[in-house]
Amino acid sequence: QKEVEQDPGPLSVPEGAIVSLNCTYSNSAFQYFMWYRQYSRKGPELLMYTYSSGNKEDGRFTAQVDKSSKYISLFIRDSQPSDSATYLCAMSAEKNTGFQKLVFGTGTRLLVSP
Amino acid sequence: GAVVSQHPSWVICKSGTSVKIECRSLDFQATTMFWYRQFPKQSLMLMATSNEGSKATYEQGVEKDKFLINHASLTLSTLTVTSAHPEDSSFYICSARDYSNQPQHFGDGTRLSIL
Repeated sequence: QKEVEQDPGPLSVPEGAIVSLNCTYSNSAFQYFMWYRQYSRKGPELLMYTYSSGNKEDGRFTAQVDKSSKYISLFIRDSQPSDSATYLCAMSAEKNTGFQKLVFGTGTRLLVSP
Repeated sequence: GAVVSQHPSWVICKSGTSVKIECRSLDFQATTMFWYRQFPKQSLMLMATSNEGSKATYEQGVEKDKFLINHASLTLSTLTVTSAHPEDSSFYICSARDYSNQPQHFGDGTRLSIL
């Protein structure tokens, strides 16, 4: 079993839809949770990061962490064609240097049609 | 802010040659840099972690004599793939972070194709 599981998709939605992207994990030591967006042939771009459980909102993006269920989500409101990309979740268990060693999901490919 | 530049973006070379990839932090001092490899439709896999002025720490299964990493300054790290073979063809991505407890920022990757 992989430490981090993520549905590869693709997930196809119409423009304006609310998108829900999810990851599950098995390592209860993970404390730092990140979402990256990766366009084709580009490096990952950090979207959001959270520590421990709870919600965090930034513009159209909301990140949720449920440590009891070992489940994290990224919601995208009013999705746009420019949101079409692969979304990677990443996690870390490091205490003092929280983002030192990241474990990534395989990524979910999102397609937003006009 | 937090821009990481990687060069070259794409390289094609013959089997047996060595290839050097550069990773630069443009607007911050990168105390730690990371090198990842990503195969198609797979996760980013950490290859090694390097701290400025120190030897790199390699992940299990990564040959340190094949993937030479140098992090001689706070803004530059290099990865040299020595005697590259077709199985080394992949997307290599670097990331960097500074001394503060903030997430890593990634470069745009280098697509390496070995013929």
